[in-house]
Amino acid sequence: QSALTQPASVSGSPGQSITISCTGTSSDVGGYNYVSWYQQHPGKAPKLMIYEVSNRPSGVSNRFSGSKSGNTASLTISGLQAEDEGDYYCTSYRVNTNLVVFGGGTKLTVL
Amino acid sequence: EVQLVESGGGLVQPGGSLRLSCAASGFTFSSYSINWVRQAPGKGLEWVSYISSDSTRIYYEDSVKGRFTISRDNAKNSLYLQMNSLRDEDTAVYYCAREYYYRNDYWGQGTLVTVSS
Repeated sequence: QSALTQPASVSGSPGQSITISCTGTSSDVGGYNYVSWYQQHPGKAPKLMIYEVSNRPSGVSNRFSGSKSGNTASLTISGLQAEDEGDYYCTSYRVNTNLVVFGGGTKLTVL
Repeated sequence: EVQLVESGGGLVQPGGSLRLSCAASGFTFSSYSINWVRQAPGKGLEWVSYISSDSTRIYYEDSVKGRFTISRDNAKNSLYLQMNSLRDEDTAVYYCAREYYYRNDYWGQGTLVTVSS
């Protein structure tokens, strides 16, 4: 069982927006702004998409955005494209271990 | 360009050993903490081990404690994972990832470890 809870799957049509949630506790997601999101395509390494809740690394499309409310962080992808299909993982700093914990991952299907 | 290249994976029998390496380039290796993260076939990402930039802080996931040893050689820009007493459930792609302020900003391409008789 993963430390952070994500839905197993989400889907959307091209052009639509989708949101993936990531629920933790006050010891991780809720207490610190060190939430990151990763995209992984089959057979490829994960790629950092969002860091510190809502920041995008250079080169990441502005269609990707992050937010947080309480113990739940969210990744929103707007204007869905076929290339967005893949697995998405959240991570967060956890204070009692001083380490990063992972979510179980969410499979995004673009219909 | 930041690069992390893993090597050393392969097929090993249960109870056997394997040593993974991660060669870093394009950044000041000695300034960064590094994680090993694995992914079993069809499963999600699982953190395995962490080492700080100066090797003073080392941590392991519970299921590998006492069997895996992480180390680094900053002079050689290299990270290692010595894996002993391997089990079927250790079968996975193993990634090394650079950590910067609690985010893994660069990842290697991964190396496959298969534990099977």
